[in-house]
Amino acid sequence: LAKTTQPISMDSYEGQEVNITCSHNNIATNDYITWYQQFPSQGPRFIIQGYKTKVTNEVASLFIPADRKSSTLSLPRVSLSDTAVYYCLVGFSGNTGKLIFGQGTTLQVKP
Amino acid sequence: SQTIHQWPATLVQPVGSPLSLECTVEGTSNPNLYWYRQAAGRGLQLLFYSIGIDQISSEVPQNLSASRPQDRQFILSSKKLLLSDSGFYLCAWSQGSETQYFGPGTRLLVL
Repeated sequence: LAKTTQPISMDSYEGQEVNITCSHNNIATNDYITWYQQFPSQGPRFIIQGYKTKVTNEVASLFIPADRKSSTLSLPRVSLSDTAVYYCLVGFSGNTGKLIFGQGTTLQVKP
Repeated sequence: SQTIHQWPATLVQPVGSPLSLECTVEGTSNPNLYWYRQAAGRGLQLLFYSIGIDQISSEVPQNLSASRPQDRQFILSSKKLLLSDSGFYLCAWSQGSETQYFGPGTRLLVL
């Protein structure tokens, strides 16, 4: 399973767009890129998943360049409630679904 | 829709006592099931995963065991708890290699 590297922490202000980049240099051909959000004392919540180019849903956008060695989670106009830890995961689990969680990026949104 | 339940939500146990944490999933059949542990301020560590009844794989040697007596029930156990077993335990499910969905978690404190 590919290893990921992301910033330990980020600060932002309400209303700003936040971009969190994840590096995954040894991503494999079959690997997907998935982002989760976790609030304190809660289980991680799926945000978005992609394979290449751009994926957008009601919560976020995911930008993946052609070489797929990195990805960027974009959160539009963040609010205080977006303060959380964001995890980037890369892998193709086959039938087992094994995921490797890193330490994630702690996003602090300030008023 | 699918839902995942964990109980208890919090648990305080003395060292050397037994442990049983339960996870159940509703609204799906033959899911993959997972147990994770999260230490304070850290990422998630996969402990066990199961692709079917009585089919359980252990990821790390430890003081814990897992069982899957029914299709949608996953139990995490220990005969004698250690101080190092304290943490936040999360159960998750997926359909094959699809996205994992996490339960609310159990906060375990071993004293």
